[in-house]
Amino acid sequence: AQKITQTQPGMFVQEKEAVTLDCTYDTSDQSYGLFWYKQPSSGEMIFLIYQGSYDEQNATEGRYSLNFQKARKSANLVISASQLGDSAMYFCAMREGRSGAGSYQLTFGKGTKLSVIP
Amino acid sequence: DTEVTQTPKHLVMGMTNKKSLKCEQHMGHRAMYWYKQKAKKPPELMFVYSYEKLSINESVPSRFSPECPNSSLLNLHLHALQPEDSALYLCASSHLDWNTEAFFGQGTRLTVV
Repeated sequence: AQKITQTQPGMFVQEKEAVTLDCTYDTSDQSYGLFWYKQPSSGEMIFLIYQGSYDEQNATEGRYSLNFQKARKSANLVISASQLGDSAMYFCAMREGRSGAGSYQLTFGKGTKLSVIP
Repeated sequence: DTEVTQTPKHLVMGMTNKKSLKCEQHMGHRAMYWYKQKAKKPPELMFVYSYEKLSINESVPSRFSPECPNSSLLNLHLHALQPEDSALYLCASSHLDWNTEAFFGQGTRLTVV
């Protein structure tokens, strides 16, 4: 079973509007971290925002916020006031607390391609 | 310094060549990773080093050979690659905690001809 599911292969949003990118996850661990990364066409993976499994409040970082619903196992990314530079691939990822070998590697979803329309 | 530096940014190599990808970080991270990413796909984990020791090899063919000479450097040695190995190779590093982010380099775009 997939650990991270992103059901939107592509999304369009008008400039200056808000957009929500969906992410659901599957884990039996109590301790886990959820991350969103942005990947422009240049290739670099840029860290955007983090939500821990024990965090009671939704994370926010500037125009990015994470809508964390633990019971539903969802961690949706909300981008407010979209800009043309937000056009990129967006990946949801998870690190589980009991990953083997003490490495806590990231597991990625398939990604959502966001296109911002002027 | 929150940078992970990868060199080279682009590499074209023949199937009989030997080349190396390099990755460097100075954030004190004790975990370093190699990912392979094909176009329009998520990154796939290849190798994980923790405390300079190989801890995970995701059944990667032996034509890819990782090396971690010290806590700041990670290499990926390439030999006798196939055209299907053409991809973006991403290096990442992190603390050994589940609740901290991993930092990625800009990647090396590899083309095997």
